[in-house]
Amino acid sequence: QVQLQESGPGLVKPSQTLSLTCTVSGGSISSGDYYWSWIRQPAGKGLESIGRIYTSGSTNYNPSLKSRVTITVDTSKNQFSLKLTSVTATDTAIYYCARGRGYSGEELDCWGQGTLVTVSS
Amino acid sequence: DVQMTQSPSSLSASVGDRVTITCRASQSITHYLNWYQQKAGKAPKLLIYAASNLQSGVPSRFSGSGSGTDFILTISSLQLEDVATYYCQQSFTIPLTFGGGTKVEIK
Repeated sequence: QVQLQESGPGLVKPSQTLSLTCTVSGGSISSGDYYWSWIRQPAGKGLESIGRIYTSGSTNYNPSLKSRVTITVDTSKNQFSLKLTSVTATDTAIYYCARGRGYSGEELDCWGQGTLVTVSS
Repeated sequence: DVQMTQSPSSLSASVGDRVTITCRASQSITHYLNWYQQKAGKAPKLLIYAASNLQSGVPSRFSGSGSGTDFILTISSLQLEDVATYYCQQSFTIPLTFGGGTKVEIK
């Protein structure tokens, strides 16, 4: 049973860079036709996709965040990571990592528990 | 971006009731529509993928239908444990986009 776990600072200052890592356990991040995704959810609001990466290194980003986002993968550590630059209070949210099934309908079948990131000085 | 519109935004129903939630896409997404359940304080959980396929381990009272732009999630007999917010999501094109959610409560 694959499990995902987000980690990283819970508090980031405005204008700085938000950095999160998702560790995949119970299976290899390189096995199967999957992609690895970041999604966020401001408190009491809906879900917003940030972007995704395949283990080939190919990425897709949400155009609304593209200029500030970088997603990378480290197959040796079974991890993938998110960097979001120049953060403001509007980036305060619960950040989820998730696995997508590229061989099916691209659905997100496995999610981390989420980590709250607050942007504040 | 493909806009996803869910209705209603909230509903209250009795245990045993049949519940339907609709989701409309701003353009055709063929069958690339997924449904998630999010309970309070938890991560979303995949219920239905590719419009009508039940994810493994999900109770059979959940079902999905539709294609093109209009989709429906049905709970055939609402249970206490179904209290949650339900989201539709299109995976036809990037960026992946979600509906605004439907909060389901017990009357």
